[in-house]
Amino acid sequence: DTGVSQDPRHKITKRGQNVTFRCDPISEHNRLYWYRQTLGQGPEFLTYFQNEAQLEKSRLLSDRFSAERPKGSFSTLEIQRTEQGDSAMYLCASTMTTGKTNYGYTFGSGTRLTVV
Amino acid sequence: AQKITQTQPGMFVQEKEAVTLDCTYDTSDQSYGLFWYKQPSSGEMIFLIYQGSYDEQNATEGRYSLNFQKARKSANLVISASQLGDSAMYFCAMREGGFKTIFGAGTRLFVKA
Repeated sequence: DTGVSQDPRHKITKRGQNVTFRCDPISEHNRLYWYRQTLGQGPEFLTYFQNEAQLEKSRLLSDRFSAERPKGSFSTLEIQRTEQGDSAMYLCASTMTTGKTNYGYTFGSGTRLTVV
Repeated sequence: AQKITQTQPGMFVQEKEAVTLDCTYDTSDQSYGLFWYKQPSSGEMIFLIYQGSYDEQNATEGRYSLNFQKARKSANLVISASQLGDSAMYFCAMREGGFKTIFGAGTRLFVKA
């Protein structure tokens, strides 16, 4: 088990371009989360999946953001028509749900997006 | 409304001493979970400790303990015998309804040799 993997680690893009990030969770984890973190702040919730179903999406999330988790395995987060305000670290996390609820998240190393 | 409040932007502690990082939360749910995470300069968030709202005992994990005061809605993290490697950002977080977790703004801890 190699933990949660995110790709790429860094992405620099021009304003207006589309970008896509990938997250590979721990294989036995059925829940997958996306967060965004800006400098000096805590992670901000974007969306989460239970298996392949997207169960919640932040109301703060623009329609330019979309996420998928086909087959309940890896997930992708796409940002269309990027803006400078999208520059942030995008974190993926996974966890399992069983009868117990005290599982913390396992986070990936994140994808740092810079929009120029 | 801000649900997780960490009032200490930065804290200093001498190596081998104990330190308390403050966290207060706001929720109307009866069932919720409280978490602390560590984020070193490398950037990866590390889960430290969990406290359930119905747990009567304070959670402990090695040198970490969570001082849970339900009536005051506080969930302070206590790190005993601080080590240089404890220097990092620390985030308090809360999960409501069993789904998403929300995070506070964090406290940066500096451990002095």
